[in-house]
Amino acid sequence: GNSVTQMEGPVTLSEEAFLTINCTYTATGYPSLFWYVQYPGEGLQLLLKATKADDKGSNKGFEATYRKETTSFHLEKGSVQVSDSAVYFCALIRQGAQKLVFGQGTRLTINP
Amino acid sequence: DSGVTQTPKHLITATGQRVTLRCSPRSGDLSVYWYQQSLDQGLQFLIQYYNGEERAKGNILERFSAQQFPDLHSELNLSSLELGDSALYFCASSVGVGDYEQYFGPGTRLTVT
Repeated sequence: GNSVTQMEGPVTLSEEAFLTINCTYTATGYPSLFWYVQYPGEGLQLLLKATKADDKGSNKGFEATYRKETTSFHLEKGSVQVSDSAVYFCALIRQGAQKLVFGQGTRLTINP
Repeated sequence: DSGVTQTPKHLITATGQRVTLRCSPRSGDLSVYWYQQSLDQGLQFLIQYYNGEERAKGNILERFSAQQFPDLHSELNLSSLELGDSALYFCASSVGVGDYEQYFGPGTRLTVT
């Protein structure tokens, strides 16, 4: 079946540190891949997406590249801020399907 | 603000009761999705409607039902509630069907006591 596996959290970093949150997926065909962010007490916000192999999604300093050969979509940011503290979800939609399949989420805390 | 609205924000009810959660999609979006977020199951897809018709079903219990009305708002009905139904229920909307971007509402937190 289709599934998404994220690195286990929580992840705690200092401000201005480099961030990587690993995400790998299992899916048939060519899924679209997404990163969503959930700030405390809020709903999910679409952070970035990629729809085909080697696509790079980027937004607000975050980047992720669709790597078909390693079935990965790792989230990176060069210099994190306290305001980036949130739960990050990697997700996919299988080609032709309707539903998002989410990873378990990774809680990120940035200390000043 | 995603443009997706959900009411109520919080709901506290007793076991055995029935509740209705409401969602209004973004202007122009025809698809509405419902997801459940719980500590043990994570984020799970429940059901999708497109322009009033059911398009996809996920891990939705038989005690749960949904519909999408002609004005495109959607309601999720949860009946015979159990303690395990306590969760955050999110509505999302998208322009069409398939791998379009889904925009999420703020969620309804349901607590069953």
